[in-house]
Amino acid sequence: AQSVTQPDARVTVSEGASLQLRCKYSYFGTPYLFWYVQYPRQGLQLLLKYYPGDPVVQGVNGFEAEFSKSNSSFHLRKASVHWSDWAVYFCASSGSWQLIFGSGTQLTVMP
Amino acid sequence: EAAVTQSPRNKVAVTGGKVTLSCNQTNNHNNMYWYRQDTGHGLRLIHYSYGAGSTEKGDIPDGYKASRPSQENFSLILELATPSQTSVYFCASGDYINTEVFFGKGTRLTVV
Repeated sequence: AQSVTQPDARVTVSEGASLQLRCKYSYFGTPYLFWYVQYPRQGLQLLLKYYPGDPVVQGVNGFEAEFSKSNSSFHLRKASVHWSDWAVYFCASSGSWQLIFGSGTQLTVMP
Repeated sequence: EAAVTQSPRNKVAVTGGKVTLSCNQTNNHNNMYWYRQDTGHGLRLIHYSYGAGSTEKGDIPDGYKASRPSQENFSLILELATPSQTSVYFCASGDYINTEVFFGKGTRLTVV
C-alpha cells in the first residue's frame, strides 16, 4: 500500500536559518512526489513536484527537494527561511492514480 | 485560470441530517478527490473519481458517499451526519497521472 510519513509534526527555525522538512514514502515503484504548502485557513498550494529524473527539484520561493530511492525519502530544503514561510507543509505521493498525503509539518519561524 | 470551487464554504448541520458538499472544476481534469483535514491527521482521502460516472473508495469512506455526474462536478454526501464528521473538507482535481493538481479553498462542516 502507498503511504507518506512526515516524522516531524512541528519544526521551529529562526528567520534566515536553513530548513529541512523530512518526508518518507512507501510505494512498490517510484511514485510522483509533491510538496504542498497551506497558509492559515487556505487551501493547498503546490511548491514543487518530482517525476523520475533529476533527483533534485527546484520549486517556488527558493524551495528545493531531493529524492532518494535508497532512503525512500523526499526531503524539502530551503537555504534561508523568511517569516512568510510560516505555514503547514505537506508531502504527497501519487501512485496508482491516488494522491496520498502525509500528516503535515507545522513550520514556525522565529524572529 | 485553473479553478476548483467548493460550496458551501461553511455549513452547520444537525446530527442525523443529510449534507451534500459540492465541488466544481474548470480544469478539464479526469481525477477528482475529496479529503478531510483534521489536526494531527493531515489530509485523508475519502473518495475519488477517475471520470464522469466513476467513484472509488479512499482510505476513510465509511459514512460518506460520492457522486460524479459529469467531468466538472463531484459531490460528497453524508446521508446521516454525525459529530465525528465535523471537519474541514477539501476537493481537488488532477490530470490523468496527477502531474497537475489543484485544490479548492475548503468547506468547514460542523455537525451539532
